[in-house]
Parts: sequence; C-alpha cells; structure tokens
Amino acid sequence: GNSVTQMEGPVTLSEEAFLTINCTYTATGYPSLFWYVQYPGEGLQLLLKATKADDKGSNKGFEATYRKETTSFHLEKGSVQVSDSAVYFCALGKAAGNKLTFGGGTRVLVKP
Amino acid sequence: EAGVVQSPRYKIIEKKQPVAFWCNPISGHNTLYWYRQNLGQGPELLIRYENEEAVDDSQLPKDRFSAERLKGVDSTLKIQPAELGDSAVYLCASSLDPAPGEQFFGPGTRLTVL
Repeated sequence: GNSVTQMEGPVTLSEEAFLTINCTYTATGYPSLFWYVQYPGEGLQLLLKATKADDKGSNKGFEATYRKETTSFHLEKGSVQVSDSAVYFCALGKAAGNKLTFGGGTRVLVKP
Repeated sequence: EAGVVQSPRYKIIEKKQPVAFWCNPISGHNTLYWYRQNLGQGPELLIRYENEEAVDDSQLPKDRFSAERLKGVDSTLKIQPAELGDSAVYLCASSLDPAPGEQFFGPGTRLTVL
C-alpha cells in the first residue's frame, strides 16, 4: 500500500538557519505529492504541491522537488523565521479518489 | 470566503457515552472528508463523500462510528459508544473535485474520552 515516511522531530533551529525536512514515499503509479503545514491552534493548510516527476513546488520561501528516482519530496527553506514554527506533514495523493496518505509530521521550532 | 467550519472545537466525555461532530464544508465543494489524527501522528482518512454518497468508508469502524451527509452539504460524524482509544482530533476537509488537489481542512474537534 501507499505510505509516507518523514523525519521525526522536533527540529530546533535558530532564525535565518537553513531547514530541510526529509520525506520519502512508497506508492504504485504516479502520485501527487504535498506538503501541509499546521500552525499552533490552526487546521492543516496546503503549503505546496507537485504533480509529476521533476516538478518543483514552492510557496512562502519553501521548496520541494518531486524526485521519482529516489521516491523523495524533501522540504527546504533557505532562511527560516520564528513564524515558521509549526508541524509539517508530507502527503501523497492518488488519482483515484484523492485519498491523502500523510506522514507522521515533523515539528519545527525556530528560536529568535 | 469562509473556510471549513467544525464544531465543537473541544469535547470531553466519559467512555461509553455518545458524541457527535459537525462539519460545514466550503461552499460549492462537493467532496468532504473526515480524518482522525492521533497525537503525534498524521491524519488518517475515515470516510470520504462525493456529494451525499459515501464512496470510501473502508477505514471507518462501523461497529461504533457512523456518518451522514444529508443534502450533500453539512456532515455529522458520530461515535456510539465512545472508547478510551477514540481520544484524538477529528478533522473535516473539503475539496472542489475528487482529483488529487488541495484539500481544505477545518480546525478540528479535539475529543477526550475519560
């Protein structure tokens, strides 16, 4: 079946540091890949997505590239801010039914 | 545009009691999802509706869980009777169509079963 594995947190960084959150997936066919973010006290929000191999999703300074050869979709940001403190979820979706399969989430804490 | 609305935000009940969660999706979104998110884990799909039809309920524990989406808009998820292991956040999401795309999530209902 489909599964998503992402690095465990918490990840603690200083402001302006570089952030990487690793995400790998197992799926048949060609899924779409997503990063969702959950800020404290809020619901999940789509951060970025990629629908085919070599696509790069980007938003709010975050980027992730769909790597089919390594079945990965790592999230990166060059300079984090305190406001980026949140839980980040990697997810995959299949064409049939739009069911999202989520990873376990990675908590990121950015300190000033 | 209003987002996905859920109520209540928090619910504390004793085991064996019934509980119900309500969701109002974004206007015009015909696909509605209920997820359960256990502490420290990602959400897991319980049931998906296309309009008023439940098209994927394979992960719904049907002995105690039920859901409905009358008129293809609002939805209610019910647990009866609740067990200790049902303590979790119950998330509702909606999307415009069933193809892989953006799902819009509500803030969730945090259920604590004592």
